[in-house]
Amino acid sequence: EAGVAQSPRYKIIEKRQSVAFWCNPISGHATLYWYQQILGQGPKLLIQFQNNGVVDDSQLPKDRFSAERLKGVDSTLKIQPAKLEDSAVYLCASSLGRITYEQYFGPGTRLTVT
Amino acid sequence: TQLLEQSPQFLSIQEGENLTVYCNSSSVFSSLQWYRQEPGEGPVLLVTVVTGGEVKKLKRLTFQFGDARKDSSLHITAAQPGDTGLYLCAVREPNSNSGYALNFGKGTSLLVTP
Repeated sequence: EAGVAQSPRYKIIEKRQSVAFWCNPISGHATLYWYQQILGQGPKLLIQFQNNGVVDDSQLPKDRFSAERLKGVDSTLKIQPAKLEDSAVYLCASSLGRITYEQYFGPGTRLTVT
Repeated sequence: TQLLEQSPQFLSIQEGENLTVYCNSSSVFSSLQWYRQEPGEGPVLLVTVVTGGEVKKLKRLTFQFGDARKDSSLHITAAQPGDTGLYLCAVREPNSNSGYALNFGKGTSLLVTP
C-alpha cells in the first residue's frame, strides 16, 4: 500500500513570495490533515478535510494561508505572502475517517523563508 | 487544548543503555498515543493506550499509561542507533465539527550513538 505522498520535499523562498505544497493521501482515506511543525516543537494542526469539505480550520492563518481539496483526493496548501516565521516542516496526514484513531503521515515539506 | 509536557527535551545516550521519557498533563486523557519521527520523515504511530494503568510492549519499548490517565511513560531497553528520533506523545481532542484533532507535545529528541 502506497503511503502519503508530498511534494516538494524542500523549498527555499524569500519573504513575501508565495509557495504551494501538494499532498496525495492514502487511497480510500476520506480525512486529510495539514500540520505545521516548527523546529523543536510537535506538529500543530492547520486544517482538516473530510472528503472535499473543511472540518476544522480554526488554527489556519487565513490572511496568508489557504488550502483546498477540490475532488476529495489530493490537496494543496498555499502560503501567500510568506513570512520568516513560516519556516517549518509542513506535514500532510490522512486517515480512513474523522473519528479514526490512526493518522498516517507523509514525509513533509521543509520550507525555509529567507 | 490540553497542554502536554514532555521530558526530557533532549537525550543523548550510548548503545545498550536504558532510558525513560515522560509525557505529563494536568488534564485527564481518554487515550494517548506515542509516535516516533525519524529525521526527514513524518511521525509514525507506535502505540495507543486507553486504560488507566495499562502497559503495552513493542519489542524493546514499554509504554505505560498512568492510573489517573494524566501521564504516560515510554521506556526503551538496550537502546540501539535505530531508536534515534523524536518521540512525540499526542492526545485526541474534539474539534469544532464533530471530528477529532491530534494535539502533540513538543517531543523528546533521542540520539543513540554506537
